[in-house]
Amino acid sequence: QVQLVESGGGVVQPGRSLRLSCVASGFTFSDYGLHWVRQAPGKGLDWVAVMSFDGTHKYYADSVKGRFTISRDNSKNTLYLQMNGLRAEDTAVYYCARTLSVTTSHIDWWGQGSLVTVSS
Amino acid sequence: EVVMTQSPATLSVSPGERATLSCRASQSVASQLAWYQQRPGQAPRLLIFAASTRATGIPARFSGSGSGTEFTLTISSLQSEDFAVYYCQQYNNWPPWTFGQGTKVEIK
Repeated sequence: QVQLVESGGGVVQPGRSLRLSCVASGFTFSDYGLHWVRQAPGKGLDWVAVMSFDGTHKYYADSVKGRFTISRDNSKNTLYLQMNGLRAEDTAVYYCARTLSVTTSHIDWWGQGSLVTVSS
Repeated sequence: EVVMTQSPATLSVSPGERATLSCRASQSVASQLAWYQQRPGQAPRLLIFAASTRATGIPARFSGSGSGTEFTLTISSLQSEDFAVYYCQQYNNWPPWTFGQGTKVEIK
């Protein structure tokens, strides 16, 4: 069955970096676009970034542009989020989520999330 | 940026009753709207896409309607497992892809 498994979260000091990974299984990874969506403790869902199925198109929320980088390795069925210059307001559970098309489709599956805590 | 506004913030409903949740977009999103359910401690789950199409495995008591700027999610007869937070999301005008702030459906 479809699985998205995030990892790489943890506690990090402000200004430091962290890389999240999302390993996919149960579907043809290279057919799908992938989003990162985050959720601060007790808050709602906040879109972060998206990458097309082939990696040619990527978009970022203004709040992370220039600090976060989304990438993927289709040979490893893995999506990444490189997070630099972390701030306290980046503290959240980070979900990866798939979409059949970045341009025209909805998110149809979510991973279980990875918690990132930015604190000194 | 399209702002999605959900109402009410909290809905208190008795089991077996009907729940009606609203989602309004700040500009037209056509029918490019999805609804997600999030139970405590769990990831979101897709319920409805294209405003009114139920996702695979979603019970028929969940229905979506609307287009343009006004959307509704209706749960016809609430079951215990339906008490959760519900989010709408538009995917018509991007970036960014935007979510509503959520409606919590709680037991009355």
